[in-house]
Amino acid sequence: IAGITQAPTSQILAAGRRMTLRCTQDMRHNAMYWYRQDLGLGLRLIHYSNTAGTTGKGEVPDGYSVSRANTDDFPLTLASAVPSQTSVYFCASSARGQGSYGYTFGSGTRLTVV
Amino acid sequence: QQQVKQSPQSLIVQKGGISIINCAYENTAFDYFPWYQQFPGKGPALLIAIRPDVSEKKEGRFTISFNKSAKQFSLHIMDSQPGDSATYFCAASYSGYALNFGKGTSLLVTP
Repeated sequence: IAGITQAPTSQILAAGRRMTLRCTQDMRHNAMYWYRQDLGLGLRLIHYSNTAGTTGKGEVPDGYSVSRANTDDFPLTLASAVPSQTSVYFCASSARGQGSYGYTFGSGTRLTVV
Repeated sequence: QQQVKQSPQSLIVQKGGISIINCAYENTAFDYFPWYQQFPGKGPALLIAIRPDVSEKKEGRFTISFNKSAKQFSLHIMDSQPGDSATYFCAASYSGYALNFGKGTSLLVTP
């Protein structure tokens, strides 16, 4: 089934540890995004990539980094986790520039930093 | 600075009633206005979207009304059903750039 796969689905992480959230899509979408969802704050953009090899910062990029080595993969790394990074993380993709702006979202990663 | 403001935060509607969720935006360059539906434990899913060259778009029981001069758009769910109970997000973007989301509306449709 075409779509986005995120891993892990949930994780409890000790503060100060490094963590990479994985995101893979099989739709050949050129654009990919990472959002965090917090109660009462909605979905906030962390980082984005309009095409393989390029990335950009969103609304809340501090403490996070991304890479886009190829079209399909867009990992999000927390270099040294802090409790304020406890959230649900969603990866999304879109065929931006290919005639469709709609996002496809993954099922999310629920991260708890203790 | 929130670019899309959504209201209400929560909404309770009786089965068969009309659910109305409103959004307002500031950036007149926005040219794509989607609505997403999210069920607990799932990622948001595209429900319906509109571009500013039309004032209304209808898909089944879901209708987007768009008022360009007022910089507002709304989602109407006709004949609301318990299965419509979910969180709804409006969003806006310019030329396919990253979506700016509202904070969401939690809808509960009671039997």
